[in-house]
Amino acid sequence: DTEVTQTPKHLVMGMTNKKSLKCEQHMGHRAMYWYKQKAKKPPELMFVYSYEKLSINESVPSRFSPECPNSSLLNLHLHALQPEDSALYLCASSQDQVLQGFNEKLFFGSGTQLSVL
Amino acid sequence: DAKTTQPPSMDCAEGRAANLPCNHSTISGNEYVYWYRQIHSQGPQYIIHGLKNNETNEMASLIITEDRKSSTLILPHATLRDTAVYYCIVRSNTGKLIFGQGTTLQVKP
Repeated sequence: DTEVTQTPKHLVMGMTNKKSLKCEQHMGHRAMYWYKQKAKKPPELMFVYSYEKLSINESVPSRFSPECPNSSLLNLHLHALQPEDSALYLCASSQDQVLQGFNEKLFFGSGTQLSVL
Repeated sequence: DAKTTQPPSMDCAEGRAANLPCNHSTISGNEYVYWYRQIHSQGPQYIIHGLKNNETNEMASLIITEDRKSSTLILPHATLRDTAVYYCIVRSNTGKLIFGQGTTLQVKP
């Protein structure tokens, strides 16, 4: 199983809603990532978890709250989003973020297309 | 973090080799060069990566210059399904995978 599964595939929410994006992998990977991708732009790194601890936060606004309940699951909790937060949210995993030489590849999910009204 | 520079777009005839260039002149000695591609509305897909030596797998070949300041991804026999955005990435010493602007490859019949 080399898949990263993201749910839901599409999400529409209002600015006062609270919602969560979910990501799951069963490859035994210990690093998990959230990326945000606006239309016709490259993915932008948001958060990195390594061994279930947050290791990188790329100065993301607090209305995005990541959570890694165990080594297979990664959530992104959303609250009070703005219309400009509408984007494709991608989850990825890799064997080990701190592996010496960074000689490892990331596996990406298909993403959640989020629309904020 | 080392930056990469790629042409914004390229065309290739179906069945011909596609050669995608990338400049990464600020790369450090232990930073790897990665290539990913993204087909419309899907997540990025890993293609290949390398440090110093040329690499080949079932998808592509990666040629890295001796000074490591540039590289070329080669798709030996491009098909219509290879139409995608191709990203050349230098993975930083912090482990971050930071995407550049990428090259949109259009394979034409």
